[in-house]
Amino acid sequence: GENVEQHPSTLSVQEGDSAVIKCTYSDSASNYFPWYKQELGKRPQLIIDIRSNVGEKKDQRIAVTLNKTAKHFSLHITETQPEDSAVYFCAASSGGYQKVTFGTGTKLQVIP
Amino acid sequence: NAGVTQTPKFQVLKTGQSMTLQCAQDMNHEYMSWYRQDPGMGLRLIHYSVGAGITDQGEVPNGYNVSRSTTEDFPLRLLSAAPSQTSVYFCASSYSDNSPLHFGNGTRLTVT
Repeated sequence: GENVEQHPSTLSVQEGDSAVIKCTYSDSASNYFPWYKQELGKRPQLIIDIRSNVGEKKDQRIAVTLNKTAKHFSLHITETQPEDSAVYFCAASSGGYQKVTFGTGTKLQVIP
Repeated sequence: NAGVTQTPKFQVLKTGQSMTLQCAQDMNHEYMSWYRQDPGMGLRLIHYSVGAGITDQGEVPNGYNVSRSTTEDFPLRLLSAAPSQTSVYFCASSYSDNSPLHFGNGTRLTVT
């Protein structure tokens, strides 16, 4: 089955700096890669997603890149703010619920 | 439009007791699923449904039952609670596979 590895598990950055979270996947059939943000005690919420026919997608301060050859995708947050502090999860899916696999999460702390 | 509604928010059970976690969505989504979240392990799929009357097992189905009699509701039943089922449970829905998941607010379950 699919295996998604996520690094780092924790990340501390100064406010205004950039943060990068990386994920690798094993199943070459995976074609959908969402990122979820989970604030403390709350539910995960989608922040951005990318499909395999696109190499990069951007939404204001957030961007995701996908390298299908190397089977890795990354989340980039620029100009970080304290409200970006949360746990971020990557996921990979090749279609069908049984094939959605989540990474183990990255706890991001933005220091004011 | 309430989205995905889960009840209860908190529950404490004794080993061997049974209970049902409720989940309802008002977005007319065909796909619904249950995940459990444990520290350092991300989100793991328990059971899922692709429409009324259709359910299937995910990654960690043992000890849990589901049914889907309507599009809106997808309850999760714990048959005989065990301490290993102490976790945070999230219900989610989506328009289709390979589309964003909409999560409920979660149920924190403790089994003593």
